[in-house]
Amino acid sequence: SQQGEEDPQALSIQEGENATMNCSYKTSINNLQWYRQNSGRGLVHLILIRSNEREKHSGRLRVTLDTSKKSSSLLITASRAADTASYFCATDAGNQGGKLIFGQGTELSVKP
Amino acid sequence: EAEVAQSPRYKITEKSQAVAFWCDPISGHATLYWYRQILGQGPELLVQFQDESVVDDSQLPKDRFSAERLKGVDSTLKIQPAELGDSAMYLCASSPPGLVDTQYFGPGTRLTVL
Repeated sequence: SQQGEEDPQALSIQEGENATMNCSYKTSINNLQWYRQNSGRGLVHLILIRSNEREKHSGRLRVTLDTSKKSSSLLITASRAADTASYFCATDAGNQGGKLIFGQGTELSVKP
Repeated sequence: EAEVAQSPRYKITEKSQAVAFWCDPISGHATLYWYRQILGQGPELLVQFQDESVVDDSQLPKDRFSAERLKGVDSTLKIQPAELGDSAMYLCASSPPGLVDTQYFGPGTRLTVL
């Protein structure tokens, strides 16, 4: 069964705008990760945030984590058409073995 | 840059037939994962290997699915017999020793069962 809910399921914006995606999860975690998937391809790791961190940046990506609300958000600033993809959050559900539990994903469309 | 290799990329089969997927992880990665991703959903773990040993196969439908990693390097996932509901993307991923937090995914095998 899947761990989290992602919101929105689909998002359509213009190039240059910011895109925000949210993820909620159910169990305690050690870390939360965001992955990107281009249509019909494998997943690419974007960023990992640990349970003792509240915010993390990587280039145009900003991730926040609120463990009290069991939620995370991914912000992509100054979006580009090439950012069009599905974005998934994944948690380790508190285990140490590496098993990831993915959310349903947000499908982002950035129009030029 | 090293990548996880998977083959075939696409497979079309009829129900009740047998299918097999192959994965070659990044060299030196001890942990290997097989995920199934149904269209419109996130990946779901089927089986996890540490070297040649199965660590987690709790979500693997063992009546029809099998997975092996005989020499602790490449791996094969088999479905026999295939059912219509098995149509999905099958993704392989690997992690380096001691860094299981980050998984590197292959391009996947898209299976269509007719």
